[in-house]
Amino acid sequence: DQQVKQNSPSLSVQEGRISILNCDYTNSMFDYFLWYKKYPAEGPTFLISISSIKDKNEDGRFTVFLNKSAKHLSLHIVPSQPGDSAVYFCAASELGGSQGNLIFGKGTKLSVKP
Amino acid sequence: DAGITQSPRHKVTETGTPVTLRCHQTENHRYMYWYRQDPGHGLRLIHYSYGVKDTDKGEVSDGYSVSRSKTEDFLLTLESATSSQTSVYFCATGTAETYEQYFGPGTRLTVT
Repeated sequence: DQQVKQNSPSLSVQEGRISILNCDYTNSMFDYFLWYKKYPAEGPTFLISISSIKDKNEDGRFTVFLNKSAKHLSLHIVPSQPGDSAVYFCAASELGGSQGNLIFGKGTKLSVKP
Repeated sequence: DAGITQSPRHKVTETGTPVTLRCHQTENHRYMYWYRQDPGHGLRLIHYSYGVKDTDKGEVSDGYSVSRSKTEDFLLTLESATSSQTSVYFCATGTAETYEQYFGPGTRLTVT
């Protein structure tokens, strides 16, 4: 059973507009959430993270929002740029779980059109 | 950038043959991980290591073994490769201080 779900396999956005990528989770023991970005033929790279004690974390054009009651997090990219076109993975880590073990969603492919 | 390299980057092998993939890191990170990425499945943990000679199973460990004889190297072995093990394999490292993991460039393995 999937503990981390990214229900949108793909998303297309116009350059300059906002991209919103969504992630849902089922395990209430998850205490830390991360977003990774992956270009073709490369390894995933860490983008931004959020602890369960916060509801928002911002880093430049990237903001992650966490709604614990809904078990939902989202990644906002504003403004979107063509170089943001990539697959984005949501990941979660469990409180008290094996150190650093991350559970990944299946990913959302973002296409930013010029 | 954690200075992670994987070798080989591409490999084609036949069913039933043994295969070993190597991950090498230069950052002295304590934790190392092997994932596989398949269409429709995202990244799934195969095995991980929390220190030299200390390893444990992940979500999809059947058919795989690992070894870590020194901090910088983490080997993934397919004792007898099967077509279902055709995948892209990623190595990652991490520290005790943060949850972030740093990924290598991946190895594309095809089992014919």
